[in-house]
Amino acid sequence: DAKTTQPDSMESTEGETVHLPCSHATISGNEYIYWYRQVPLQGPEYVTHGLQQNTTNSMAFLAIASDRKSSTLILPHVSLRDAAVYHCILRVRRTEGADRLTFGKGTQLIIQP
Amino acid sequence: ETAVFQTPNYHVTQVGNEVSFNCKQTLGHDTMYWYKQDSKKLLKIMFSYNNKQLIVNETVPRRFSPQSSDKAHLNLRIKSVEPEDSAVYLCASSFSQNTLYFGAGTRLSVL
Repeated sequence: DAKTTQPDSMESTEGETVHLPCSHATISGNEYIYWYRQVPLQGPEYVTHGLQQNTTNSMAFLAIASDRKSSTLILPHVSLRDAAVYHCILRVRRTEGADRLTFGKGTQLIIQP
Repeated sequence: ETAVFQTPNYHVTQVGNEVSFNCKQTLGHDTMYWYKQDSKKLLKIMFSYNNKQLIVNETVPRRFSPQSSDKAHLNLRIKSVEPEDSAVYLCASSFSQNTLYFGAGTRLSVL
């Protein structure tokens, strides 16, 4: 799977909207963009995913560039509970064969009261 | 509330011992996985398993082996642990190879 690039950390304040960027310049046409987040002593938690169109759910809005070489996870009105490491991952949704999903370091999101 | 359950949460052992970690999922998924997360928080797949086949990451040492009784359970056995095996081991499940849902992890310390 292609690699992604994310800032090491970002900081925000409770109630603000956070934009977490991810660059994936070598993304393939069949690769989905997945976002997970992880807090200490827990496993990664699914946030959202998309292929080409922007997507939204109760947790976040995912904006995907028209050329798909970058994406932005938008977290509206963040709270202290949103503090976590956010991972942007590319994944081919295979029906068979090896799953090579690998998480990088991600972005540490720090939320100030 | 998590639907992928791992036990134990923590395990401390000595070099050369055998350990076994349990994983159960209640999501009705058909595929389960084991991942290893190192001290730098990098997470790499070790095994994926569904009722059709076991896929092994070729970089995984042979002392690691998955054990499954049914599609809701996938345990991980390490035959003779070594110091570099100290890590967090994460179990996950999915329907086919779609969205992954993770357990809280088992933290292994090898003395």
